[in-house]
Amino acid sequence: NAGVTQTPKFQVLKTGQSMTLQCAQDMNHNSMYWYRQDPGMGLRLIYYSASEGTTDKGEVPNGYNVSRLNKREFSLRLESAAPSQTSVYFCASSEARNNYGYTFGSGTRLTVV
Amino acid sequence: AQKITQTQPGMFVQEKEAVTLDCTYDTSDPSYGLFWYKQPSSGEMIFLIYQGSYDQQNATEGRYSLNFQKARKSANLVISASQLGDSAMYFCAMREVNTGGFKTIFGAGTRLFVKA
Repeated sequence: NAGVTQTPKFQVLKTGQSMTLQCAQDMNHNSMYWYRQDPGMGLRLIYYSASEGTTDKGEVPNGYNVSRLNKREFSLRLESAAPSQTSVYFCASSEARNNYGYTFGSGTRLTVV
Repeated sequence: AQKITQTQPGMFVQEKEAVTLDCTYDTSDPSYGLFWYKQPSSGEMIFLIYQGSYDQQNATEGRYSLNFQKARKSANLVISASQLGDSAMYFCAMREVNTGGFKTIFGAGTRLFVKA
């Protein structure tokens, strides 16, 4: 089982450029999430999608947009990248039968210069 | 407001010994779930163990156990018989069932070093 697949694994952007991080899960989970990880701050929720067709803001949504394309796919878009968005981004999915414990993707290391 | 606190930035343990990683939480929701995740140096996040707020017994998963003290709002992770492969970052996390929706919040993490 692939679980949660994130692409790309690494990306360098110039300030002002845009990009989309892709995430897909094959576990038939209803809920999907985007987090960012910064040193000393744990993981902070950017956006989440409780189920197909719904999205909601998390703790740090500014500068990001998301799309729940279908049940499998949940993408994160940076419209105009800023150095403050340099971080490691994780996509995750969960389901009630697992007490909403997360299955994570392998992460995307994004550097904005 | 929900909050997770991990007060140990770094911990050292001798191989084959047990170690406890501390986690305290704050919530007003009577129904919540507590999680521990492991992040090795390779960067992936791995689910370790789950404890529900109404569970009567402490959760165990192999060498991992969760010392759940509800009145003290603590959910410490105990790793028995430490192995070199246990060297990693460990995150405590919480989901409030009634008020938090589908969101889970994470602590800042504890880095564990296992010495040979």
